[in-house]
Amino acid sequence: DQQVKQNSPSLSVQEGRISILNCDYTNSMFDYFLWYKKYPAEGPTFLISISSIKDKNEDGRFTVFLNKSAKHLSLHIVPSQPGDSAVYFCAAMIIQGAQKLVFGQGTRLTINP
Amino acid sequence: GAGVSQSPSNKVTEKGKDVELRCDPISGHTALYWYRQSLGQGLEFLIYFQGNSAPDKSGLPSDRFSAERTGGSVSTLTIQRTQQEDSAVYLCASSLAGSGTQYFGPGTRLTVL
Repeated sequence: DQQVKQNSPSLSVQEGRISILNCDYTNSMFDYFLWYKKYPAEGPTFLISISSIKDKNEDGRFTVFLNKSAKHLSLHIVPSQPGDSAVYFCAAMIIQGAQKLVFGQGTRLTINP
Repeated sequence: GAGVSQSPSNKVTEKGKDVELRCDPISGHTALYWYRQSLGQGLEFLIYFQGNSAPDKSGLPSDRFSAERTGGSVSTLTIQRTQQEDSAVYLCASSLAGSGTQYFGPGTRLTVL
């Protein structure tokens, strides 16, 4: 029972264009969502988060959109840069209590010059 | 400031041996988490510590796995009688209580031969 799903294992985008990474969840109790970026042999690096009381959060080139009715969130990166090439993980939690993160399987983003 | 650190970075062991993995959280972070990422899998929650409260062990896959956190800071994850299926990257994360955002260490890659 995978509660957080990233259906695209990989994505290729041209440098300078917009990268859109998608994530779906099934547990309606989740109320806080995060995106992490991971390079090989390193731990995940926090990128951006969003609370369920919002539908958008922006930080520089990164914007996260949340559609609660569809149980869907997306990460937009614009403009995409070669250094953005990495695996991106979507994660969800219930903010009350232990705040255990439930992760998607990840999407490998490749930015082509 | 210093991030989450983990040691060793790599550990190769023989089936049946015990191993200890160490995590030093960010100073001042009262919440500490262990996750693991098996080959081709997403990250899965193992155990959570918050201050002096009893840990949430609900993610530990078997009773061969245990963890402790001494003095509210350093944590050790112990795997007894290791099996080949224990091979994975073990990741530690810490956070300020209630903040929602967890910061990860670089991980320990465990290989059981």
